[in-house]
Amino acid sequence: GAVVSQHPSWVICKSGTSVKIECRSLDFQATTMFWYRQFPKQSLMLMATSNEGSKATYEQGVEKDKFLINHASLTLSTLTVTSAHPEDSSFYICSALSRQDSGNTIYFGEGSWLTVV
Amino acid sequence: KQEVTQIPAALSVPEGENLVLNCSFTDSAIYNLQWFRQDPGKGLTSLLLIQSSQREQTSGRLNASLDKSSGRSTLYIAASQPGDSATYLCAVDDYKLSFGAGTTVTVRA
Repeated sequence: GAVVSQHPSWVICKSGTSVKIECRSLDFQATTMFWYRQFPKQSLMLMATSNEGSKATYEQGVEKDKFLINHASLTLSTLTVTSAHPEDSSFYICSALSRQDSGNTIYFGEGSWLTVV
Repeated sequence: KQEVTQIPAALSVPEGENLVLNCSFTDSAIYNLQWFRQDPGKGLTSLLLIQSSQREQTSGRLNASLDKSSGRSTLYIAASQPGDSATYLCAVDDYKLSFGAGTTVTVRA
């Protein structure tokens, strides 16, 4: 079945540095991908919608200059957390939209744990 | 803005008992509703998807109902097992997914 791969699964970075998280659709083309963050014991909060070949649409309150999203191909979207701070430590999950004649299905990645020290 | 609420936040039951998880949403203009399972520190696994025109979906021991007019969905898990211990999230799709905070289930052996 369709699989969405996220890399890395875990990352620790120093405060002030940038870190990139990749989201790949492995056996389907995804013109639309979504990025979420999840704090412990809280729900997933949509950060932005990533569309291939165009600028991402950010949700209210999400800093687009801090969370850079690039969707350069039909199978890859990247989220770069720039100048990371400890409060950016969170679980980041991507999902990819698979459009089929039978309907649309969203597949989720396994998530990426970011710890900023 | 769509708001999704899940009650209870946590549930602990002995093995074999049936589970009832509730989800409510504020805007009934939805395309579908989906139930997910999330294990600690992991991503999401889709369990059931109910289209807006459907009233229920079943998969094995799982059954989900949808009442759009009242803005409610219920996930039933029959004869619970310790392996069912996880957090269950419902998500409403009204052109984008809005998630509830989840119900954390513990099934005691």
